[in-house]
Order: sequence, then structure tokens, then C-alpha cells
Amino acid sequence: NAGVTQTPKFRVLKTGQSMTLLCAQDMNHEYMYWYRQDPGMGLRLIHYSVGEGTTAKGEVPDGYNVSRLKKQNFLLGLESAAPSQTSVYFCASSYPPVGETQYFGPGTRLLVL
Amino acid sequence: SQQGEEDPQALSIQEGENATMNCSYKTSINNLQWYRQNSGRGLVHLILIRSNEREKHSGRLRVTLDTSKKSSSLLITASRAADTASYFCATPTQGGSEKLVFGKGTKLTVNP
Repeated sequence: NAGVTQTPKFRVLKTGQSMTLLCAQDMNHEYMYWYRQDPGMGLRLIHYSVGEGTTAKGEVPDGYNVSRLKKQNFLLGLESAAPSQTSVYFCASSYPPVGETQYFGPGTRLLVL
Repeated sequence: SQQGEEDPQALSIQEGENATMNCSYKTSINNLQWYRQNSGRGLVHLILIRSNEREKHSGRLRVTLDTSKKSSSLLITASRAADTASYFCATPTQGGSEKLVFGKGTKLTVNP
């Protein structure tokens, strides 16, 4: 089992460019999450999904969109990147019931110039 | 909004010593979780303690939960250099949500 994987590992963008971060899990988990981690801020939830075809906003959703077309994949999109989106992005997944253990990917470092 | 908050923010100890980290939270919970993050890596789940449990052990880890004080502690006994990492507590958001809220973490350094 690969667990939770994320691509790419590192990316540099210019302001205004767009990109998609891919998260994949092979554990048949229902729930998937996107977080960002900034120094001194801990983890903040961007968007999450409770099943295929569903998405919901988290704590800091502005500037991001997500899609969950397949149960195993959760995509995070930045339509027009801004320097404030420079961060480390983590994907996680979990199995019902709610509020249980989350399994994290290795992260994607994004630098927006 | 912040639910769990770890204390201290940073802790430096010698190998072989015990390390204790604390977490306080604001609302009622059905479980509390601790995670570890090595530098540059993703978070790894360590232990989950349910609201009806007071203490739980896993190897050199001991977690306690005091729901009356809304606090939890993580004890790492006989620490090793490999325990150097950031440790986070996490709780489900109020309302029995599928979402977890993470604290800002305690950065533990274990000196050889």
C-alpha cells in the first residue's frame, strides 16, 4: 500500500499562474482533506470531501477549488496563484466514523513569486 | 478557530529524559488525537484517546485525558534523538464533525 501520495512534491509558480495538486489514496477511505501549513500557524483546513462527488469548504477556502471525481483522488486547484498561497500543502484521508484518525501525504511545497 | 493548543511551544531535553507536552481544548470532544511531524514530512498519527478513557499507552508513549479540565498530556519516556519532531494534538470540531482541528504544535528537540 502506498497510502496517501501527493504530486508534485515541489513547485514554483509566478503570480497569476494556475496549477492543480493531486492527492491519491489507496486505502478506500471515504473522507479526504486538503490542509495548508504555514510557520507558526499550524495546519489549516482548506477544503474537504466526505465522499465521491462531494466537496465542502474548510477554514481557509478562498482562492482554491477542489474536485473529487473518483473516490481515490482529491484535486486542489489554484486558479490564479498569489504570493500569500506560498505554503506547504498536505492531503489527508480517513475512514468513517467521523473524527477518526487521518492519514497524511508527504506534502507539496509551493512557492509563488 | 483554534480548538487545541499545545504547551510548551518548544522543548529541548537530553536523550534518556522524559518529555511531556500538554494540550488544552475548548469544547466537548469525543476523542483527542496526537500526531508527530518530522521536519519536512507529513503528519503521522500516534495515538487516539476517547472521551471515556483517562489514560492510554503505546510503546514509550503515554497519553492522559482530563475532560473536566479539557486537557491532555503526551509523555514520551526515555527519549531518543529520533523523537526530535513537532507534536500536534487534534480534536474533532464541535458538532461531531468529520473535521479535525489541529493545534500549533510543540517542537521537541532531543539532544544526543
